[in-house]
Amino acid sequence: DQQVKQNSPSLSVQEGRISILNCDYTNSMFDYFLWYKKYPAEGPTFLISISSIKDKNEDGRFTVFLNKSAKHLSLHIVPSQPGDSAVYFCAASDTGTASKLTFGTGTRLQVTL
Amino acid sequence: DVKVTQSSRYLVKRTGEKVFLECVQDMDHENMFWYRQDPGLGLRLIYFSYDVKMKEKGDIPEGYSVSREKKERFSLILESASTNQTSMYLCASSNKAGGVYEQYFGPGTRLTVT
Repeated sequence: DQQVKQNSPSLSVQEGRISILNCDYTNSMFDYFLWYKKYPAEGPTFLISISSIKDKNEDGRFTVFLNKSAKHLSLHIVPSQPGDSAVYFCAASDTGTASKLTFGTGTRLQVTL
Repeated sequence: DVKVTQSSRYLVKRTGEKVFLECVQDMDHENMFWYRQDPGLGLRLIYFSYDVKMKEKGDIPEGYSVSREKKERFSLILESASTNQTSMYLCASSNKAGGVYEQYFGPGTRLTVT
């Protein structure tokens, strides 16, 4: 049972445009969400997070939006750069129980020139 | 700067061999995790540990065991490797305090079982 879903396995965006990566979750106990970026042959690196008490968090070119009623979050990258080409994983946590994260299946972003 | 290191980047083992994957973190983190990453399946949690000598099963513990004798070191053991354990194995650590659940990952070990 996939509790965190990323329904788009891949996304291609032109350099300079906006990239929007989506993530849906089913567990209503999740209250903390993170995005990770992964290059080939490297471990994932933390990008940005959001608590369920907020609906938006921004860090430079990266913004995460959370819609609790729809159990949906999205990562916006503006403007997209070739170096953003990577696999992006969304992750969720129920902070009341444990420190573990549940990850989505990932979306491969390709930023083209 | 948090550093999580894994003992090998690439490993090739034969079916039935016992395999040890080692992970060391240098940030005095309480929590440590082992995941495997497979195409189309994302990162799946195998085992985690929130303290020395403590361990908890993750979502896919079958065929694996773990050991945490020291706070900085978390080992994943494949008692009898099988071809369906060919995968990328990722170790991570995080701090229990402060309500922040960011995990720091090692570079991964690509294990091939033939």
